[in-house]
Amino acid sequence: EVQVLEAGGGLVQPGGSLRLSCAASGFTFRSYAMSWVRQAPGKGLEWVSAISGNGGSTYYADSVKGRFTISRDNSKNTLYLQMNSLRAEDTAIYYCAKEPFTDFWGAMDVWGQGTTVTVSS
Amino acid sequence: QTVVTQEPSLTVSPGGTVTLTCASNTGAVTSGYYPNWFQQKPGQAPRALIYSTSKKHSWTPARFSGSLLGGKAALTLSGVQPEDEADYYCLLYYGAAWVFGGGTKLTVL
Repeated sequence: EVQVLEAGGGLVQPGGSLRLSCAASGFTFRSYAMSWVRQAPGKGLEWVSAISGNGGSTYYADSVKGRFTISRDNSKNTLYLQMNSLRAEDTAIYYCAKEPFTDFWGAMDVWGQGTTVTVSS
Repeated sequence: QTVVTQEPSLTVSPGGTVTLTCASNTGAVTSGYYPNWFQQKPGQAPRALIYSTSKKHSWTPARFSGSLLGGKAALTLSGVQPEDEADYYCLLYYGAAWVFGGGTKLTVL
């Protein structure tokens, strides 16, 4: 079964850092782009970042550019999101999603259940 | 600031047809925006429905279809079922960045 499972969420103070991970199984991880999407409490979806299958191309929303870094370890079938300089507005459920293509086009066919990040003092 | 606009809410009767739209403040939405559509029910992760304007995933029910309509991306549900009550989001491509619309809450009543 094709699955992605997020981990690493939690409570962090403003200005702090957190690293999310997404473990993939059931498919050839290196062949597909991956992405992160977040959803603040009671709000809509916000695309955050994406990375191509070989990790050579990365993409970021303006709201996180310079603070967040997406990466992947294809030997471990794992996607990461390093989040620095966190702000209260980064509070959200963070979803990991698999793309059905090697590069990212927004199709996101498989989603995890999300991990919650709360930025608060 | 790129803004993608969807109807905040729509209501449809069971068995009816409804069209949800997705507009961009940069101008007409074309196939080059690679419109994608997602469905989200309360407490659940989003589910992909349509990609690249009109292509369906293997699990997408036949009653869902995507198109371009009057300068917008559109998602049409024909023969609406009670289980189609959900939030629907479009996603557009802006050259190395993607932006979700604010979502449409579809009520089946």
